[in-house]
Amino acid sequence: GQNIDQPTEMTATEGAIVQINCTYQTSGFNGLFWYQQHAGEAPTFLSYNVLDGLEEKGRFSSFLSRSKGYSYLLLKELQMKDSASYLCAVMDSNYQLIWGAGTKLIIKP
Amino acid sequence: GAVVSQHPSRVICKSGTSVKIECRSLDFQATTMFWYRQFPKQSLMLMATSNEGSKATYEQGVEKDKFLINHASLTLSTLTVTSAHPEDSSFYICSANTAENSPLHFGNGTRLTVT
Repeated sequence: GQNIDQPTEMTATEGAIVQINCTYQTSGFNGLFWYQQHAGEAPTFLSYNVLDGLEEKGRFSSFLSRSKGYSYLLLKELQMKDSASYLCAVMDSNYQLIWGAGTKLIIKP
Repeated sequence: GAVVSQHPSRVICKSGTSVKIECRSLDFQATTMFWYRQFPKQSLMLMATSNEGSKATYEQGVEKDKFLINHASLTLSTLTVTSAHPEDSSFYICSANTAENSPLHFGNGTRLTVT
């Protein structure tokens, strides 16, 4: 079956760095997406990786290793507004998105 | 960037009534739109894939006669929850992408409360 695993919850301190991991097993691979979802709101797109390596976008970076079925989202200089759920999603060979359950990130002052 | 607009953002209705939710792609044409449902503290669940000019494809366990989807144009898809019941209360979110392997862009969601 298809499976996406990510931690349920993480806690970090304002100004620090946090890494949210995602491992996946899917039928084929057409890219991995990270989304941010604040409570009560719809997800917003953060990043897309289809090739191995690191994609940097401001304070957020996303890494992919296809051979390991592994990705991480790195958040630097954490701000209180970064408190949200972070969703990992993989697009399989049929271009269907398989969603992880999300990681709730709690930022403490 | 691609913008998806969803309306209404909140709706409260009585049990047995029907509710229509609209999803529009504002600056691009979407031959395919996706309808998701999310219960509190749970992950996104794909309900159906809406295809312009043809029937929607429903995920297993989703009643097509209860959740009517109409994708009448390249910029509009509607989801109608028919004969709504309290257990249908949820956060419904539509999404679309500009190409098959491009990121999904989400509408702001519709919070449905059935009393």
